[in-house]
Amino acid sequence: GAGVSQSPSNKVTEKGKDVELRCDPISGHTALYWYRQSLGQGLEFLIYFQGNSAPDKSGLPSDRFSAERTGGSVSTLTIQRTQQEDSAVYLCASSPGGSDTQYFGPGTRLTVL
Amino acid sequence: AQKITQTQPGMFVQEKEAVTLDCTYDTSDPSYGLFWYKQPSSGEMIFLIYQGSYDQQNATEGRYSLNFQKARKSANLVISASQLGDSAMYFCAMRERDSGYSTLTFGKGTMLLVSP
Repeated sequence: GAGVSQSPSNKVTEKGKDVELRCDPISGHTALYWYRQSLGQGLEFLIYFQGNSAPDKSGLPSDRFSAERTGGSVSTLTIQRTQQEDSAVYLCASSPGGSDTQYFGPGTRLTVL
Repeated sequence: AQKITQTQPGMFVQEKEAVTLDCTYDTSDPSYGLFWYKQPSSGEMIFLIYQGSYDQQNATEGRYSLNFQKARKSANLVISASQLGDSAMYFCAMRERDSGYSTLTFGKGTMLLVSP
């Protein structure tokens, strides 16, 4: 079956511009996660959606970052007024109800010039 | 304090040999899970193996096994009969149930290089 998909795979933007990153989870998975991976580093948790519950935004680094999940499926991570330190790979993962195993998408590599 | 510690930034192993990648963790949550993921140069994160804190047996998945020593809070990954395709970054991660949510905390990773 189809795995987690993310788009775009690469995004180059200028400092100060807004960007939107999209994640399409595995069909039927109720949980969706966003992580950020800076060069040579491990993954940093950003935000977590579970069903219709309020999202856990505790990992968002600043109020320039926001995310939404429409219809319990597709999610969009928005970064406003991008800064050079936002350059990283943004990974999305999903997991089915009753399981904690997270399945990751291929990521979006964001470069802020 | 770091929740997940991977002390080996890099490891080298010859093809067909076994290799152990170290992971120690820190949690006060009695219910937790431990994961290993593989990240090849292509960038995707591939789930390898899972160990629950209440599991009595060490987890195994094909050539992967997890050496779970609960009292020592260690969860080392053992790869038997290494293959060239095993060359990748390996991350240990932990799930804790905090406030009813379930997020993963990752270690900084170990780069494994398998030579012919």
